[in-house]
Amino acid sequence: EPEVTQTPSHQVTQMGQEVILRCVPISNHLYFYWYRQILGQKVEFLVSFYNNEISEKSEIFDDQFSVERPDGSNFTLKIRSTKLEDSAMYFCASRTRDTAVYEQYFGPGTRLTVT
Amino acid sequence: KQEVTQIPAALSVPEGENLVLNCSFTDSAIYNLQWFRQDPGKGLTSLLLIQSSQREQTSGRLNASLDKSSGRSTLYIAASQPGDSATYLCAVEGNTPLVFGKGTRLSVIA
Repeated sequence: EPEVTQTPSHQVTQMGQEVILRCVPISNHLYFYWYRQILGQKVEFLVSFYNNEISEKSEIFDDQFSVERPDGSNFTLKIRSTKLEDSAMYFCASRTRDTAVYEQYFGPGTRLTVT
Repeated sequence: KQEVTQIPAALSVPEGENLVLNCSFTDSAIYNLQWFRQDPGKGLTSLLLIQSSQREQTSGRLNASLDKSSGRSTLYIAASQPGDSATYLCAVEGNTPLVFGKGTRLSVIA
């Protein structure tokens, strides 16, 4: 069964460094998402992406964040200058179509630790 | 602003019991509601999606209901097993992208 994959599973970085989190969505899906979950807190929406552009973003997704689909398979989240509070689990999700009937499929996540 | 609340926060039951997890949301203008399962340190596995026009969905031992007008959903798990132990998340999608509850942590004791 097709699944969303994410790499790396765990990333440790120093404050101020840039990180790139990678996702491979399910191949026939058209809508892509990033979410994050700080330890012990709710899963929060960051950004949605369709047709090579951001379709929606949350207040969390500030100028330090960017997303890209550099080729036909990968979907990346870049954090330019990491802060301690960026430490969280980051989930990528994809969906075949952005309508009410289609569920989002989530990847296993990347645990980001900023020291 | 949509808010999703899940009660109880944690639940421990003996194996074989039937149980109900609750989810409430403040804005009834939703397109759908999804229930997810999350194992410790892992990703989210979609269990059921209920469209706003539907009242319930079933998958195996799981049954989810939706009362959109009152802003409530329940997830019923029949004949619980130790393998059902996980955190169960409810999320709603409407004019905003998926908004999650904090989850109910379920422990099924053998």
